[in-house]
Amino acid sequence: DARVTQTPRHKVTEMGQEVTMRCQPILGHNTVFWYRQTMMQGLELLAYFRNRAPLDDSGMPKDRFSAEMPDATLATLKIQPSEPRDSAVYFCASGLVRTGGSSYEQYFGPGTRLTVT
Amino acid sequence: QQPVQSPQAVILREGEDAVINCSSSKALYSVHWYRQKHGEAPVFLMILLKGGEQKGHDKISASFNEKKQQSSLYLTASQLSYSGTYFCGTDSGAGSYQLTFGKGTKLSVIP
Repeated sequence: DARVTQTPRHKVTEMGQEVTMRCQPILGHNTVFWYRQTMMQGLELLAYFRNRAPLDDSGMPKDRFSAEMPDATLATLKIQPSEPRDSAVYFCASGLVRTGGSSYEQYFGPGTRLTVT
Repeated sequence: QQPVQSPQAVILREGEDAVINCSSSKALYSVHWYRQKHGEAPVFLMILLKGGEQKGHDKISASFNEKKQQSSLYLTASQLSYSGTYFCGTDSGAGSYQLTFGKGTKLSVIP
């Protein structure tokens, strides 16, 4: 049963510290998304990659957030320095876009619950 | 622009039906529906593409009216397992493949 995995599942850190979240997409999927979910804003797209290339990161605060995909099995989201307003659940999702394909489903990982104090 | 979902919350007794609506101010290429249970990740339910098709999955079905930029999710003969928050995600252009999600509709099914 193929699943998206994320680590860590929970992270509590102090303001100013660096936070790194990791995601392993489903093998064979070529598109990876990072979302942030809060009660106030709901699910917000932060960034996404196709075949490891960043396509859109306009949803991310550029001064403190960065997203990379060093290889096809790993996507990372870093926050440096972290702030209390970054407290949220961060989801990674992956999907397979076929050449000439239409919209496709996204499979979400279990999320990383981040608390910044 | 974020799609608008209605209602925000609904409580049903087992066996009752519900409709959840999703409206966008932008032209849509597709609408996706997801369900999220408390403390879990969103789970894909179905995609509806431009063309006004209707899809079904067990007792859950959906329609997409591209002219009105609206989609509706129909839950019939609800079961306790249907409880959760339902999100619509809209994709406004072929090739973008990125979704903008509504704020969700919380559905509670009680015995």
